[in-house]
Amino acid sequence: QITLKESGPTLVKPTQTLTLTCTFSGFSLSTSGVGVGWIRQPPGKALEWLALIYWNDDKRYSPSLKSRLTITKDTSKNQVVLTMTNMDPVDTATYYCAHSWYAFDYWGQGTLVTVSS
Amino acid sequence: EIVLTQSPGTLSLSPGERATLSCRASQSVSSSYLAWYQQKPGQAPRLLIYGASSRATGIPDRFSGSGSGTDFTLTISRLEPEDFAVYYCQQYGSSPPAITFGQGTRLEIK
Repeated sequence: QITLKESGPTLVKPTQTLTLTCTFSGFSLSTSGVGVGWIRQPPGKALEWLALIYWNDDKRYSPSLKSRLTITKDTSKNQVVLTMTNMDPVDTATYYCAHSWYAFDYWGQGTLVTVSS
Repeated sequence: EIVLTQSPGTLSLSPGERATLSCRASQSVSSSYLAWYQQKPGQAPRLLIYGASSRATGIPDRFSGSGSGTDFTLTISRLEPEDFAVYYCQQYGSSPPAITFGQGTRLEIK
């Protein structure tokens, strides 16, 4: 079955760079049409899409955050990495990664990242 | 960027009743790329509907999606206690390529 799990720091300081890793199983990111995306959710607020990477290494970013985001994949390790620069307290949120096939059909459990000095 | 506006913000109903949730887009959305999710407290979202009207694997048939263009609807025919949650619509646009979520509708027990 398809599973995804996010990992990374739970606390980062303002201006630091956040690096999150999504480790998945049950599918291959070299299969045509498949993607892995990142979505975040500030406490008590709505979902916000961040980035998406496809099997062919095509990448999509949220226009409002594009300058701060980088998404990469390591197909051999079944991992997708998201980096977000210049973190701010407003970036405090639960960060999810999800398998994409027309929609986000499988999600990780999420990881809460707090930005505070 | 396409903006999705969900209404109502909160819907108060009783088990057994019918729920109708709306998602309106600021410009036309391809039906192939309109999805609905359910999220319960402390859990990740769960995909309910993709392609505007196709139920995801394991989703009960009391959930149905419809609509096209800029107006989409999620209907829950007879509410079960486990259906009370927050619901989000989501679209994937191609020009520019971007994904957006609505702000959510909270379905609460009356």
